[in-house]
Amino acid sequence: DIQVTQSPSSLSASVGDRVTMTCRASQNITRYFNWYQKKPGKAPNLLIFAASSLQSGVPPRFSGTGFGTDFTLTISSLQPEDFATYYCQQSYGSPFTFGGGTKVGIK
Amino acid sequence: QVQLQESGPGLVKPSETLSLTCTVSGGSISTYYWTWIRQAPGKGLEWIGYISDDGFTKYSPSLKSRVTISVDTSKNQFSLKLSSVTASDTAVYYCARRGGLLSTTPPGYYYALDVWGQGTTVTVSS
Repeated sequence: DIQVTQSPSSLSASVGDRVTMTCRASQNITRYFNWYQKKPGKAPNLLIFAASSLQSGVPPRFSGTGFGTDFTLTISSLQPEDFATYYCQQSYGSPFTFGGGTKVGIK
Repeated sequence: QVQLQESGPGLVKPSETLSLTCTVSGGSISTYYWTWIRQAPGKGLEWIGYISDDGFTKYSPSLKSRVTISVDTSKNQFSLKLSSVTASDTAVYYCARRGGLLSTTPPGYYYALDVWGQGTTVTVSS
């Protein structure tokens, strides 16, 4: 199975901050990588697919980079509605494992 | 606009079988893969497995011995059965569509969970 390690597990930031989180896959998965936003009591929402493609309707302050084993999600200017938990997922091979999540909290 | 809705018992006794159904509305179940994911209290997302419209399945190795996912295209539904449940199976269960999404840089189709149900809470307790 492909393992996905996400860091940090939590961070604190202020509105307007630039926020970055990373994931590392246990093997080369090229660009088969996705990012989701999860708020309490809500279903996850797809933000980024193919490592860097912005899903329709997602604000451009979200961006993804990476290839191979290392991937990054950046929020360029944190907004109040962005306080949530973010999960990465590899879509290279079954089982399509998720990272452990990064909780973005208010500083 | 495609919508998904999970349904099924919210309480299951230990050692019994958990059964959930996901109803797809606003679109056809054909040509996609349909996925089950869960989130235990205080934990992250766990991929359970998926099924294609013609019944091809893949399961998480950690659950494979207890999981069955099936599809009923006539009803636009797919289902999850998890046998011999314990308290560790208590979770919010989500169904989701694995969509083929077009990337322009670089060009190509990639797969992601692009439509989700709202989730249903299942508690395993006597």
